[in-house]
Amino acid sequence: GAVVSQHPSWVICKSGTSVKIECRSLDFQATTMFWYRQFPKQSLMLMATSNEGSKATYEQGVEKDKFLINHASLTLSTLTVTSAHPEDSSFYICSAIRQNEQFFGPGTRLTVL
Amino acid sequence: QKEVEQNSGPLSVPEGAIASLNCTYSDRVSQSFFWYRQYSGKSPELIMSIYSNGDKEDGRFTAQLNKASQYVSLLIRDSQPSDSATYLCAVILGAGGFKTIFGAGTRLFVKA
Repeated sequence: GAVVSQHPSWVICKSGTSVKIECRSLDFQATTMFWYRQFPKQSLMLMATSNEGSKATYEQGVEKDKFLINHASLTLSTLTVTSAHPEDSSFYICSAIRQNEQFFGPGTRLTVL
Repeated sequence: QKEVEQNSGPLSVPEGAIASLNCTYSDRVSQSFFWYRQYSGKSPELIMSIYSNGDKEDGRFTAQLNKASQYVSLLIRDSQPSDSATYLCAVILGAGGFKTIFGAGTRLFVKA
C-alpha cells in the first residue's frame, strides 16, 4: 500500500496566488523528505530537501522565498508555492525515505492560469 | 558528464521478449541503486533496489550491478504491454547519504 500521501492531487489557481501542498508519511516517521518537480516529458528535478525541525536545503537555482518548505512534524512536510505564475505549472512530487528506500507520493499537478 | 545516464529510448520490444535497460553513474563511492517505473501522469514507483555487485531477482525483474564498471541494469523477462512505462535509474550519491539523483529515464514500449 501507499507509504506517502500528498494533498491535493491537483490544483488550479490564478496567477499571483499561493498554493500549499502537503506531503505525509504514513505509518512511519520521516525526518527527511524531498520535493521534486517534473515538467512534461522531462525527468524529476530535486527542488529541496526538507528536514524536520530545521530549514530546508534548496538545490541550486530554486528560489527559497518562492518555494516555502515547512517540516513541522515527523510525518508532514508542506511546500507552498508563493505568488504562483504560469511557468510554475508542473507536477510536484514529494518523497520520504523508509528503510533506505525512497518512496514517492502520488504527486500534485499544479496549473496556474 | 551527467551523474546518472540512461538511454532515453524509446525501447520497443515485442510481448514476451526480454527488455534490457541500462544505466551508468559517475560517483565511484555510491552504494545504493534503484529502479523506478513511472507511468505517464503518475509518480515513480520503486520496483527494485540493489546494493551489492551481481544479480538480484524479483519475479520477472532482475537488477544487475557492476560497481567496477559503474553500471546498473534492469532486465524484464516475459515483457507485457502493462510494462510500457518510463524506467528511472536512481543512485544515492556517496556513501551513507540520502541525496538521490535520477537518470532522465528510458521509455519502454511493449508491443502486443
